[in-house]
Amino acid sequence: KQEVTQIPAALSVPEGENLVLNCSFTDSAIYNLQWFRQDPGKGLTSLLLIQSSQREQTSGRLNASLDKSSGRSTLYIAASQPGDSATYLCAVGFDGGSQGNLIFGKGTKLSVKP
Amino acid sequence: NAGVTQTPKFQVLKTGQSMTLQCAQDMNHEYMSWYRQDPGMGLRLIHYSVGAGITDQGEVPNGYNVSRSTTEDFPLRLLSAAPSQTSVYFCASSFTGPYGYTFGSGTRLTVV
Repeated sequence: KQEVTQIPAALSVPEGENLVLNCSFTDSAIYNLQWFRQDPGKGLTSLLLIQSSQREQTSGRLNASLDKSSGRSTLYIAASQPGDSATYLCAVGFDGGSQGNLIFGKGTKLSVKP
Repeated sequence: NAGVTQTPKFQVLKTGQSMTLQCAQDMNHEYMSWYRQDPGMGLRLIHYSVGAGITDQGEVPNGYNVSRSTTEDFPLRLLSAAPSQTSVYFCASSFTGPYGYTFGSGTRLTVV
């Protein structure tokens, strides 16, 4: 069974720190990997999408990497701010012969303290 | 562009009642799907559709029905609501292929 694991489950850091969130998956045959942000009681906001042929994507202070061979992705957040506090979800589209339905990790809850 | 629109945002049902959660997208996406999000379980796929007239089951399909008569709409029907269906439901859409998914804002459902 395809699984996606996110470590740590929760993370608390002081403002200004650079931080890394980890995502691992069990099957290297993937379509893509997408990182989302979810604020409490809200929907999912897409942050970065990495296609299976890509190694990384960047958007502002965010950088996501993908290593299919080791089954890992990292989300790097530079110079963290209190507004970055949210739950970050990793979702992998596995190549199962259909669309590549997303399998989600359980998320990392990030708290950035002023 | 409205993106993915879900209605209602909140709903309380009694056990045994039926209802339909609505999902509409205006991006001409072929692919649409429904997820439920439960504490400690993450998001799990209920049903999905790769185009009008085509639907298939996901990981947790029991107790739910879907249909896809148009590209834009993908309603989720609860046939006879049970307390175990208390959850937050998200609809998502995408172009066919390895493209990113767009999610709706969710429907918070409570079954009493």
